[in-house]
Amino acid sequence: DIQMSQSPSSLSTSVGDRVTMTCRASQDIGSFLNWYQQKPGRAPKFLIYAGSSLQSGVPSRFSGSGSGTDFTLTISSLQPEDIATYYCQQSYSSPLTFGQGTTVEIK
Amino acid sequence: EVQLLESGGGLVQPGGSLRLSCATSGFTFSSYAMSWVRQAPGKGLEWVAGIRGSGTSTYYADSVKGRFTISRDNSENTLYLHMDSLRVEDTAVYYCAKSIPLWSMDYWGQGTLVTVSS
Repeated sequence: DIQMSQSPSSLSTSVGDRVTMTCRASQDIGSFLNWYQQKPGRAPKFLIYAGSSLQSGVPSRFSGSGSGTDFTLTISSLQPEDIATYYCQQSYSSPLTFGQGTTVEIK
Repeated sequence: EVQLLESGGGLVQPGGSLRLSCATSGFTFSSYAMSWVRQAPGKGLEWVAGIRGSGTSTYYADSVKGRFTISRDNSENTLYLHMDSLRVEDTAVYYCAKSIPLWSMDYWGQGTLVTVSS
């Protein structure tokens, strides 16, 4: 199975800051990498697919990059509504696997 | 508007069975693969099972293989998860999700809670 590892596990930042989090796969997954946002008590929301393609309706302050084993999700200017846990997920092979999540908090 | 609505969760004893349903609308159900994803209390997301649009191919996480069965009724636009031999560690909120090509999950239901406890 492909293992997904996210870092950091949590981060505390300020509104307006640039936020970056990483996701690493245990083997080459090309660009088969998706990102989701989950707010407390809510279902996950689909943000980015194929490593860097923004899902329709997702604000342009979100961006993804990377390929192979190393990927990054960036929020260019953090907004209060971005407080959530972010998960990466590989769709290269079954079983599909998620990272353990990065929780973004406000200082 | 795409809608996914799970039902069937509840309290069950270890070793028991339960069937979850996911009623869908707003898209051509038979054209899309579907997945079940669970989240144990306070934990991260875990993919459980997936099924292609035709229903001919199914996929499972090792943790549920042989105990859970994913199926679909394309005439009723409904996805199912039949769970047997339930364990305490199966306690979680179970989400159904619509999968676009390459198994990205673009729409999710609100989830249904399954509690396995004596």
